[in-house]
Amino acid sequence: SQKIEQNSEALNIQEGKTATLTCNYTNYSPAYLQWYRQDPGRGPVFLLLIRENEKEKRKERLKVTFDTTLKQSLFHITASQPADSATYLCALDGSSNTGKLIFGQGTTLQVKP
Amino acid sequence: DGGITQSPKYLFRKEGQNVTLSCEQNLNHDAMYWYRQDPGQGLRLIYYSQIVNDFQKGDIAEGYSVSREKKESFPLTVTSAQKNPTAFYLCASTEWGQAGTEAFFGQGTRLTVV
Repeated sequence: SQKIEQNSEALNIQEGKTATLTCNYTNYSPAYLQWYRQDPGRGPVFLLLIRENEKEKRKERLKVTFDTTLKQSLFHITASQPADSATYLCALDGSSNTGKLIFGQGTTLQVKP
Repeated sequence: DGGITQSPKYLFRKEGQNVTLSCEQNLNHDAMYWYRQDPGQGLRLIYYSQIVNDFQKGDIAEGYSVSREKKESFPLTVTSAQKNPTAFYLCASTEWGQAGTEAFFGQGTRLTVV
């Protein structure tokens, strides 16, 4: 069955450093991959979408890569700030003709001042 | 402001009761979704609807029911058949029900069985 794995251990980094989060998937060939941010007690907020034919996507301090050979996506936050502290979810399209998503369990990032 | 509104934010259910969670969107989106989130787990799809008067079961539909009588509304009923309903419930919408469209989420309803 389809499986998505994100590092369940929290990632703690110092302010100003680059945070790198990993999303691995198996038994699947998604056409799209999305990243969301979720703060405690709130709904996820969309950050970035990358297509299978794109290697990299950037938005301000965020960068996402998508390696369909390794079946892996990396999510980078450069010059991290304490305000970036949150849980980050990766999601893959569940099918080609619906918008349903399959989510990883999320990785919690803590940026210390 | 456009968005998705879920209510209530907190809900307590006695065993054996049915409860209904509200989800309203003013984004004019065609597709709407209900997800369940448990601690340490990813969001799991309960039901989704791509068009008014039509909906499909997701991965964990047992013990839940939905309706889609209006484009802007997609209420979820947690029935007494759902044996472990305590969770964080999230409603989402996408502009159209196709892959590659970003999802907009509500703020969630936290349901607790007492």
